[in-house]
Amino acid sequence: GAGVSQTPSNKVTEKGKYVELRCDPISGHTALYWYRQSLGQGPEFLIYFQGTGAADDSGLPNDRFFAVRPEGSVSTLKIQRTERGDSAVYLCASSRGGTQYFGPGTRLTVL
Amino acid sequence: RKEVEQDPGPFNVPEGATVAFNCTYSNSASQSFFWYRQDCRKEPKLLMSVYSSGNEDGRFTAQLNRASQYISLLIRDSKLSDSATYLCVVNKQAGTALIFGKGTTLSVSS
Repeated sequence: GAGVSQTPSNKVTEKGKYVELRCDPISGHTALYWYRQSLGQGPEFLIYFQGTGAADDSGLPNDRFFAVRPEGSVSTLKIQRTERGDSAVYLCASSRGGTQYFGPGTRLTVL
Repeated sequence: RKEVEQDPGPFNVPEGATVAFNCTYSNSASQSFFWYRQDCRKEPKLLMSVYSSGNEDGRFTAQLNRASQYISLLIRDSKLSDSATYLCVVNKQAGTALIFGKGTTLSVSS
């Protein structure tokens, strides 16, 4: 079946701009997770949803980062006033409470 | 101190070698443990879960020592296709965030 999909695969933006990253989870998966992976590091947790609500957003680095999942399926990670330090691969994962399956990620580059 | 610590390597081994990766975690309340594999510029994929009794999947053996808060992965008879980054992963509670180590890079050469 279809796995987790993320769009865009690559995003280049300028410092100070706003970006949206989209995640389509595996159908039927109620839990959705966002992680960020910088070069040479393991993924770091940002936020996760159970259904429509954010169950844990403790990993969001500051208030420039926000995520939504309005219908309990697709999720959007929103970053305001992007900074060069936001450059990373943003990974989305979904699960039914067990194994987390990852999407291919969005590579964000902030110039 | 990071929650999950791994030797980043790289480990460069010839085909057929046996290689072992180690990992320690700091939170004794952690409940679930995994090894994920990540190929260059790809997403992490679950390699295997790790249980206290130890578990094996073909050439791969994983061990967990809860008292020492130590996790290991042994790869026997290394193949070229085993070249990847191996991520040690801990979960405090099922369904919550995964906590990743930095990963250990393995390069198998012919």
